[in-house]
Amino acid sequence: AQSVTQLDSQVPVFEEAPVELRCNYSSSVSVYLFWYVQYPNQGLQLLLKYLSGSTLVESINGFEAEFNKSQTSFHLRKPSVHISDTAEYFCAVSNFGNEKLTFGTGTRLTIIP
Amino acid sequence: NAGVTQTPKFQVLKTGQSMTLQCAQDMNHNSMYWYRQDPGMGLRLIYYSASEGTTDKGEVPNGYNVSRLNKREFSLRLESAAPSQTSVYFCASSELAATYNEQFFGPGTRLTVL
Repeated sequence: AQSVTQLDSQVPVFEEAPVELRCNYSSSVSVYLFWYVQYPNQGLQLLLKYLSGSTLVESINGFEAEFNKSQTSFHLRKPSVHISDTAEYFCAVSNFGNEKLTFGTGTRLTIIP
Repeated sequence: NAGVTQTPKFQVLKTGQSMTLQCAQDMNHNSMYWYRQDPGMGLRLIYYSASEGTTDKGEVPNGYNVSRLNKREFSLRLESAAPSQTSVYFCASSELAATYNEQFFGPGTRLTVL
């Protein structure tokens, strides 16, 4: 069985400051890793994904995440946040060939002007 | 191309009432899912359908039934609603034939059971 832990339920950050949202996973087999974002009153959208290859993956809006197999982590980072980044962020994992995703409990990112 | 659509957007029920949440996708995906989202709990899978004609239980199936009406539509039914089913419900779809499982989500249905 696989699981995902997001230890921080809420992260307040000043505008233009850097942020890191933490994600750790547990799985006995190789995994795919995802970050989804949920803007207020909307559904979830895929932000970025790690499938294989380079351990550093990037999104079009400046977020990046690094897959660390030894630490079983997939932390999400952004060097300078904007008000528009206010959202809830979910880390998710799936095993190869498995149609089910397992989600973490989410981290609410609040940007302070 | 609307993606994943859900109806209704909001619903208030009394305990014991029944209702069906509708979901449709126009991306020709094989797999569809129903989740519920509760504060501090993240998303929990209720039921999923890997292909037309098949359905399987997820993590929290009790109190729910589903129907995969055709490839496009996947409905979720509450036969006798309970206050514990107050939640936001999301439908999602994906193409399992791809190398990874990117799920596409609908906008959600906010359900309150009094």
